[in-house]
Amino acid sequence: SQQGEEDPQALSIQEGENATMNCSYKTSINNLQWYRQNSGRGLVHLILIRSNEREKHSGRLRVTLDTSKKSSSLLITASRAADTASYFCATDLNTGNQFYFGTGTSLTVIP
Amino acid sequence: DSGVTQTPKHLITATGQRVTLRCSPRSGDLSVYWYQQSLDQGLQFLIQYYNGEERAKGNILERFSAQQFPDLHSELNLSSLELGDSALYFCASSVLSDTQYFGPGTRLTVL
Repeated sequence: SQQGEEDPQALSIQEGENATMNCSYKTSINNLQWYRQNSGRGLVHLILIRSNEREKHSGRLRVTLDTSKKSSSLLITASRAADTASYFCATDLNTGNQFYFGTGTSLTVIP
Repeated sequence: DSGVTQTPKHLITATGQRVTLRCSPRSGDLSVYWYQQSLDQGLQFLIQYYNGEERAKGNILERFSAQQFPDLHSELNLSSLELGDSALYFCASSVLSDTQYFGPGTRLTVL
């Protein structure tokens, strides 16, 4: 079974709105990362948050991490049509080396 | 452009055949990861190499094998191919067990 699972599976919003997607995981982690994938292309790293951090910002992205609930959220503010993509969270276990990706949230931003 | 290259971009072959996928990591990255992405399984971690040695193994079938060469490029060998092996295969590289940079992928179609 997946270490990380994103929710919702699909999200459709209007341009300018905020998009929030969540990730839950099962075991202790060193860090959690969010990646974006445009259709059929390679994944692009967005942001990394370490297990001792609670919140991180990068441009229009805001990531939170709650290790007690084993969950993370990614907020994209003022969404644009170009944000249309699938978003994945990835966790590495405390043992390191292996990365587990969730099943992804498919985001559609309508112009 | 992530700096990770993968060849070929597309591969169409028949069941029972053997193929080799090639990956060149970013300059300076010692770790190479292989992933399989299919519609029903999401992104599955297959195997990781670090500086020529196998570091971690995920859901890799016995029909699949990989290696990393002294120049750090890596090859993923898939043999006795089945219809279910049709998928996108991604290679990623990193300096340590941290941010991964993904290649554009190889789309394998088994007929």
